[in-house]
Amino acid sequence: GAGVSQSPSNKVTEKGKDVELRCDPISGHTALYWYRQSLGQGLEFLIYFQGNSAPDKSGLPSDRFSAERTGGSVSTLTIQRTQQEDSAVYLCASSPQALTYNEQFFGPGTRLTVL
Amino acid sequence: DQQVKQNSPSLSVQEGRISILNCDYTNSMFDYFLWYKKYPAEGPTFLISISSIKDKNEDGRFTVFLNKSAKHLSLHIVPSQPGDSAVYFCAASGFRTGQNFVFGPGTRLSVLP
Repeated sequence: GAGVSQSPSNKVTEKGKDVELRCDPISGHTALYWYRQSLGQGLEFLIYFQGNSAPDKSGLPSDRFSAERTGGSVSTLTIQRTQQEDSAVYLCASSPQALTYNEQFFGPGTRLTVL
Repeated sequence: DQQVKQNSPSLSVQEGRISILNCDYTNSMFDYFLWYKKYPAEGPTFLISISSIKDKNEDGRFTVFLNKSAKHLSLHIVPSQPGDSAVYFCAASGFRTGQNFVFGPGTRLSVLP
């Protein structure tokens, strides 16, 4: 079956521009996560959605970052006024339920380069 | 402060030998642990997990050991194969507390033919 998909796969933008990254989770998965992986670093948690509950935004690095999840499915991560330090691979993952012992299924990521 | 640590950024092992990847955590509320494998240009994929009620879980060539008193877990791959070359992430969560997964920085494993 279809896995988690993300678009675009690569995005190059100029400093100060806004970008939107999209994630399509596995159908039926209620939990959705965004992470980023900077060069040489591990996975950094950004935000977590579970059903209709308020998202856990505790990992967002600044107020330039926001995310929404429409209809409990597709999610968009928006970065406003991008900075060079935002360059990273942004990974989306989904899991069947909110239970923390469920494995997460990751998408291929979006590589963001801010010039 | 890193709650999940993988102190070896890289590891090289000869094909056929055992690979041992280590992970340490600081939060005693973590009670569920997973290992993910990541190839270049792909998202991480789930490999194996272990709950704190166990000290060992085995799946084919992969075995995870958990030492709760030492807050340490390790992934053993026997025998190692060139296709195992990837970055391995350790992740921990708190099922009882509802804490989401925290990932370690990863260890890059190279299995040499």
